[in-house]
Amino acid sequence: VQLVASGGGLVNPGGSLRLSCVGSGFSFSDYYMTWIRQAPGKGLECVCYISDSGSAIIYADSVKGRFTVSRDNVKKTLFLEMNSLRAEDTAVYYCASYTDSRGRSFDPWGQGTLVTVSS
Amino acid sequence: DIQMTQSPSFLSASLGDRVTLTCRASQGISNYLNWYQQKPGKAPQLLIYAASTLESGVPSRFSGGGYGTQFTLTISSLQAEDFATYFCQEGYNPVSRTFGQGTTVEIK
Repeated sequence: VQLVASGGGLVNPGGSLRLSCVGSGFSFSDYYMTWIRQAPGKGLECVCYISDSGSAIIYADSVKGRFTVSRDNVKKTLFLEMNSLRAEDTAVYYCASYTDSRGRSFDPWGQGTLVTVSS
Repeated sequence: DIQMTQSPSFLSASLGDRVTLTCRASQGISNYLNWYQQKPGKAPQLLIYAASTLESGVPSRFSGGGYGTQFTLTISSLQAEDFATYFCQEGYNPVSRTFGQGTTVEIK
């Protein structure tokens, strides 16, 4: 069971970036997915959620209107399109799966990909 | 949104010590409380879900308890590999799924 995130990097304020997260070893299409970020030395913030079918999506207020989450269940891939990036978006971005059981916990997690917004 | 408050923020302890970390929710969350361990440079890993169920492969020295608004994570005898940061997370609110700010367990 594994999630592998990629796509992070250095981007100028106002720029865009697209993150990807590929799942393997489990039935990707049966799971809700989420992106969780962690600013340097800080705690964890859920950025967005997407249902198993992709029909239901929720965004944190901090990214609403700027970030777009999507998924391709055939390719077992989760995406996060990030636009109008700000310095405060600098963080490690983790993808994670969850179901309605097991306390609605997040498991597994991807290894994370670092996004740095700076000029 | 539900607020999750962990205490203490930092804990200094010795090998073999019994330690208890606390997580408090701003409103009742039943048993929708999960604990994660994070080591530097790594993703968090699920330790305990539904307040008290040990994730597969997690050593039995870890245990969780509580219900409603007060929860605990106990390590019965600290081992070298347990020095890390621990986060609680509520699974009650379908919108936010808030994390606590974390407790860092350091070597005394």
